[in-house]
Amino acid sequence: QKEVEQNSGPLSVPEGAIASLNCTYSDRGSQSFFWYRQYSGKSPELIMSIYSNGDKEDGRFTAQLNKASQYVSLLIRDSQPSDSATYLCAVNKGYSGPGASKIIFGSGTRLSIRP
Amino acid sequence: EAQVTQNPRYLITVTGKKLTVTCSQNMNHEYMSWYRQDPGLGLRQIYYSMNVEVTDKGDVPEGYKVSRKEKRNFPLILESPSPNQTSLYFCATRSGGPYNEQFFGPGTRLTVL
Repeated sequence: QKEVEQNSGPLSVPEGAIASLNCTYSDRGSQSFFWYRQYSGKSPELIMSIYSNGDKEDGRFTAQLNKASQYVSLLIRDSQPSDSATYLCAVNKGYSGPGASKIIFGSGTRLSIRP
Repeated sequence: EAQVTQNPRYLITVTGKKLTVTCSQNMNHEYMSWYRQDPGLGLRQIYYSMNVEVTDKGDVPEGYKVSRKEKRNFPLILESPSPNQTSLYFCATRSGGPYNEQFFGPGTRLTVL
């Protein structure tokens, strides 16, 4: 079992609809959770961070965290063609001994917004 | 403007010819790391550094070296590159505290012939 799992997609969503991206993680001690957007050949761009159970909204983006279910999701409202990208879920496992806490990345979900 | 820079952005080289990819950040972050990204394998950490003169191996350190002589710089060194090191490389820095947010440089596309 991967430590951070995402459906690879592609997820195809019509323009203007809500895109829902999901991620599960295995380590219950994980402390912080991130969503990155990555366009092909470009670097990952941090778009959302969430640390507490519940929802966090930022513009058209909403991150949802459920630590009991070990589940984090990203909703994109009013999807635009420019949202077409790969979305990476990342989880900070927290400190577990000497060295830095480790951030684990999922393999990403490809999102395609169709006009 | 807060940023992470990498150079070169693109590099084609031959097997065995030593190369260095530079990384510099102006965010005063203590933690820096290097990743490689390959199709189907996702982002994999090569090395990381928690502070000046403190470095440690990530998940795929073989064939790579790093140094951290200054807080802002974290170069990645390939002493004898091989074709299996052809990849897209990212430098990243992380803010401190328990909710570390990580920011990536623009990437270096390396091809080893």
